[in-house]
Amino acid sequence: KQEVTQIPAALSVPEGENLVLNCSFTDSAIYNLQWFRQDPGKGLTSLLLIQSSQREQTSGRLNASLDKSSGRSTLYIAASQPGDSATYLCAVMGNYGQNFVFGPGTRLSVLP
Amino acid sequence: DTEVTQTPKHLVMGMTNKKSLKCEQHMGHRAMYWYKQKAKKPPELMFVYSYEKLSINESVPSRFSPECPNSSLLNLHLHALQPEDSALYLCASSLLTQRAEAFFGQGTRLTVV
Repeated sequence: KQEVTQIPAALSVPEGENLVLNCSFTDSAIYNLQWFRQDPGKGLTSLLLIQSSQREQTSGRLNASLDKSSGRSTLYIAASQPGDSATYLCAVMGNYGQNFVFGPGTRLSVLP
Repeated sequence: DTEVTQTPKHLVMGMTNKKSLKCEQHMGHRAMYWYKQKAKKPPELMFVYSYEKLSINESVPSRFSPECPNSSLLNLHLHALQPEDSALYLCASSLLTQRAEAFFGQGTRLTVV
């Protein structure tokens, strides 16, 4: 059974810092990995999708990498802003494309 | 249009009530999902529909009854719920391909009294 963990559980940084959020998964037989952002009480916003054959994806200040063989993904946020404050979740899609398994999330607070 | 629309946004219901949650997408996605999320926890899968057929039921109690009337619409019928069923209910959709980016709705905040 796929298990997904995220480190750290919470992070508080001053504005302008570069950040790295980590995601680990136990079964490397994945279709893809997706990073989401969730604001309190809201739905999930898709940030980046990395297919299993890819190594990284970039969108604006965000860069996500995937090392399938070691079961790891990182989300890099450059020049953090207070508006980046949210919970960041990674989710792994298994090989049959039927189910996303979520990590517990990293709660990020960027202080002005 | 990359939007998944869920209605209602908020719902308060008694334990003897019957209500329904609705989810709609017009992206041509053939996989649709219901997730339940408790406070400060990640979403937990409840049901998956593929091509309008139920493909995964994660041992969800029968007081939750999903329905997929067509490829754009997903319902979750609720009956005789318990207070512990209070949560944020999220709907998602995706293509059934490797480029299967999932899109989530804003959720329905359900309170059972």
